[in-house]
This record gives sequence, C-alpha cells and structure tokens, in this order.
Amino acid sequence: DAKTTQPNSMESNEEEPVHLPCNHSTISGTDYIHWYRQLPSQGPEYVIHGLTSNVNNRMASLAIAEDRKSSTLILHRATLRDAAVYYCILRDPQGGSEKLVFGKGMKLTVNP
Amino acid sequence: NAGVMQNPRHLVRRRGQEARLRCSPMKGHSHVYWYRQLPEEGLKFMVYLQKENIIDESGMPKERFSAEFPKEGPSILRIQQVVRGDSAAYFCASSQTRSNQPQHFGDGTRLSIL
Repeated sequence: DAKTTQPNSMESNEEEPVHLPCNHSTISGTDYIHWYRQLPSQGPEYVIHGLTSNVNNRMASLAIAEDRKSSTLILHRATLRDAAVYYCILRDPQGGSEKLVFGKGMKLTVNP
Repeated sequence: NAGVMQNPRHLVRRRGQEARLRCSPMKGHSHVYWYRQLPEEGLKFMVYLQKENIIDESGMPKERFSAEFPKEGPSILRIQQVVRGDSAAYFCASSQTRSNQPQHFGDGTRLSIL
C-alpha cells in the first residue's frame, strides 16, 4: 500500500478553520484518498474521500493537489468535538485488498 | 439507523481462557472487517469476511485466533487460550459492498487479560 505522511500533531482554536495536510508522493493513478478520524475511546469514523476533484460533505472538505501528491482536509469551523486523531489513507479499489492501512495519524487539539 | 454494534464493550479474561467478541454490522451490510489496536499503537487489520466466507485473513495471528460471519447472527472473533499480549481494543467495521465504500466502525471491545 502506498504510504502517507502527516504531521504528528496540530493545534487549532474553536470556531476557526483548520487545514490538515497529508503527503502521498507515491500515490498511484487508481488510489483514492480517504480520511478517517478517531475520537477518544471510540472507533474510527469515516470523514471523506476523493480521487482527483475537491470534495465537500457535511463534515469537511477535501482539497486534492493537481498532481495528487498531497491533499488537505479542511474543517471549516473547528469545534471541541473535532479533537481527534485524523488518518489519511490511500485505497485502491482495483488492488484486490479491502483493508484499511492506518498509519500513526495526526492528533488534532482544539482549544476553547 | 443502528450503527455497528459490538459487545461486550469491556471483557476481562484470565490467561488461558477464551474470549469471544461479537459484531453486528449495520443493516444491509454484508462485509465485515476486524481490526486490533494495541495500547499506544495504530489500528491493524486482522480479517475481512463476507457472509459465511473469509475473504482476507492476512492480518490474523496464525494460532489461537479465528473469525466467522455466519449466515444468521453476528460476526464472532474468537481468541483461544488468551495471553497478556492479547490485551487490546478490537474494532469491527462493516460496509455495504466492496469497491471503495466507507467502512463504518463500532466502538470496540476492550479486552483485558489478567
């Protein structure tokens, strides 16, 4: 599986936008970029995914670089509930494997 | 809509006992995945099942661990003769189909071995 690189941690302030970066320089043409997050004492939660175009949903936006070697998860207004470990994961639906490969993720702290 | 249900939430076993972890997928989901999260580590894939079939067990330890997803009833992850190193959080996820569908996770079973 292609690897992703994220900062170990980030801090943000409540009600401000947060941009969470992810580098995936070895991404293949068929890899989708998925984001999950894990709140304390809970299971991971799907956030968003995309291939080439930017994506929006009720939780977040995903901005994908034109060369697809990096992407940014955008939380438009951080809340205390957004404090979690965020995982950027590559999945290839043609790769024959359905498993998610979690790295260490990035811990987001939201200050009140 | 009920999400992925795992039980028990907490399970305590003594070394040498058996542990059975249950997972009921979301309604309409026929694909189930088990992951393990050791203390202070990330989640690691264990096994992927579709009704009555094991599709990918590349992450399962060779001994003592087994999984099933019968036609009726929840998926079961079974650990025989537990050891202290089995202490971890075990998460189950389900999806509707293959091919890039999001996986929806339960809140896990926290297994403690005395």
